[in-house]
Amino acid sequence: ILNVEQSPQSLHVQEGDSTNFTCSFPSSNFYALHWYRWETAKSPEALFVMTLNGDEKKKGRISATLNTKEGYSYLYIKGSQPEDSATYLCASQPSGNTPLVFGKGTRLSVIA
Amino acid sequence: DGGITQSPKYLFRKEGQNVTLSCEQNLNHDAMYWYRQDPGQGLRLIYYSQIVNDFQKGDIAEGYSVSREKKESFPLTVTSAQKNPTAFYLCASSLRTGENQPQHFGDGTRLSIL
Repeated sequence: ILNVEQSPQSLHVQEGDSTNFTCSFPSSNFYALHWYRWETAKSPEALFVMTLNGDEKKKGRISATLNTKEGYSYLYIKGSQPEDSATYLCASQPSGNTPLVFGKGTRLSVIA
Repeated sequence: DGGITQSPKYLFRKEGQNVTLSCEQNLNHDAMYWYRQDPGQGLRLIYYSQIVNDFQKGDIAEGYSVSREKKESFPLTVTSAQKNPTAFYLCASSLRTGENQPQHFGDGTRLSIL
């Protein structure tokens, strides 16, 4: 089974701090990398789908980078706000006709 | 508004009973998925369907069954053979399995054993 690892498991930051976390995946089987945000009592929401090595995507204060050769992706949040508190999931897709494999998530708490 | 509806939100099951979790989408998506989440675990794939009348087992299909008779609907039955069914179940859909399409999720069903 494909292993997708996320670190850290959880972190607490102060409002206004910038933060980042990591998703690692096997680089030998790679088609796409997904990031989702999952707020408590809501459904997971798609942030980014990335496919190309060196790809960088941005959505407001959140951005992500992708390195397919070494098998990792970083998610960055600039100037964290309390509403950024959520679990951030990444998922790797080994090929075009196979489903996603999810990591366990990084739980972010932003303290006002 | 288009979306995915899961029902019920909470479900209780007696030992030895089968229960069916509903998942309906009006996004006109071809692919649908069922995941299970346990504390400290990531989302694990139970079953998925890429097209009507077709479905494939995921990583933890034992003790579960599905059907895909309509594009909009992908119900999951938790059978009495599933020895540890207490968990949070999420349904998702995407336009197609490939093509770099994100998945859209329902709000989930929490199943508990009485």
